[in-house]
Amino acid sequence: DAGITQSPRYKITETGRQVTLMCHQTWSHSYMFWYRQDLGHGLRLIYYSAAADITDKGEVPDGYVVSRSKTENFPLTLESATRSQTSVYFCASSEPGGRVSYEQYFGPGTRLTVT
Amino acid sequence: AQSVAQPEDQVNVAEGNPLTVKCTYSVSGNPYLFWYVQYPNRGLQFLLKYITGDNLVKGSYGFEAEFNKSQTSFHLKKPSALVSDSALYFCAVRGTGGFKTIFGAGTRLFVKA
Repeated sequence: DAGITQSPRYKITETGRQVTLMCHQTWSHSYMFWYRQDLGHGLRLIYYSAAADITDKGEVPDGYVVSRSKTENFPLTLESATRSQTSVYFCASSEPGGRVSYEQYFGPGTRLTVT
Repeated sequence: AQSVAQPEDQVNVAEGNPLTVKCTYSVSGNPYLFWYVQYPNRGLQFLLKYITGDNLVKGSYGFEAEFNKSQTSFHLKKPSALVSDSALYFCAVRGTGGFKTIFGAGTRLFVKA
């Protein structure tokens, strides 16, 4: 099906473990984003990407790593998970021009709990 | 630096009454402004945007928003609220110099029957 998907939808992990959250979009959008959503903070940008092999830091990048070898995939890795990274993570994509320019399309989210 | 403020954590309105959810922003240059809605356990959905042109923009589900450059505001409005409008609403801004978008903290809208 077309759209943007995230996996897993729910994940429980232990402090210190490495975790990778997956994001896949079928629109061939150039831009992709990772956000975390926490009570009282709204959405905060972790990393974003303008195209394959082009990534940049957002507001809260510490403790996270991203890669983008293919346009459609944008995985987010927590190298050594901490309790403060317990959150809901959203992936989004957008295209810079045309009729549907600029707005972002969001995945369903991944709820991550670090114990 | 870009920033967005949503001054109300929660807005309560009776069904059938008009609703307003407030948003103010700060950005260098001309802003691109957005409203998104989030229903429980779902991702955000795009409602409407202001890029250029008419200051009053119309979006999905009967929502509209007015861009006010002098007040740096982009308030979301609807003439007649529905119970089904109850959700979390986010205002977002992007500057013309890049594609990084900053979101507000969100406003929870409760529409009472």
